[in-house]
Amino acid sequence: SQQGEEDPQALSIQEGENATMNCSYKTSINNLQWYRQNSGRGLVHLILIRSNEREKHSGRLRVTLDTSKKSSSLLITASRAADTASYFCATRGQGAQKLVFGQGTRLTINP
Amino acid sequence: ETGVTQSPTHLIKTRGQQVTLRCSSQSGHNTVSWYQQALGQGPQFIFQYYREEENGRGNFPPRFSGLQFPNYSSELNVNALELDDSALYLCASSLEGRQAYGYTFGSGTRLTVV
Repeated sequence: SQQGEEDPQALSIQEGENATMNCSYKTSINNLQWYRQNSGRGLVHLILIRSNEREKHSGRLRVTLDTSKKSSSLLITASRAADTASYFCATRGQGAQKLVFGQGTRLTINP
Repeated sequence: ETGVTQSPTHLIKTRGQQVTLRCSSQSGHNTVSWYQQALGQGPQFIFQYYREEENGRGNFPPRFSGLQFPNYSSELNVNALELDDSALYLCASSLEGRQAYGYTFGSGTRLTVV
């Protein structure tokens, strides 16, 4: 079963706009990670935020984490057609070996 | 630095058959884990291997088994295939003890059971 829920399930925006995806989870975590998946192939690691961090940036990506609300958001600024993909959040619990994934947000960037 | 490679990329099997999927870990990584991703869903954890031993398992039956070899490559074996086993199988490698880093995933093997 999935721990996380992602919102929205699908998002379609114009190129150049910002895209925001949200993720909620249920149990305490060690870290939360975001991955991108193109066309049902392999996952690409985007960014990892630890439980004691509140915000992290990487290029056009900004991730926030609110452990009190058990939620995270991924912001992609100045979107490009190449950003079209599915985006997944994944949590790793304290002392756990596994990543628990949400069901993903399907992002479409229209040229 | 090489990434994670999986083989084969696609596979079609008949219900009841057995299948072996292979994974070569990223250079320098000592842990490998396997995930099953059904169409339209997020990946689900099958199991993880560290130092050639299984050290974590998800909610999958015993007919899902694996191996990790001294060179950190790995196999996933599924016996008595069922139609619901049709999915994308993803292998991920990581360096145990370095939780500050994410996982490196392969491109996956798409298994179709007919």
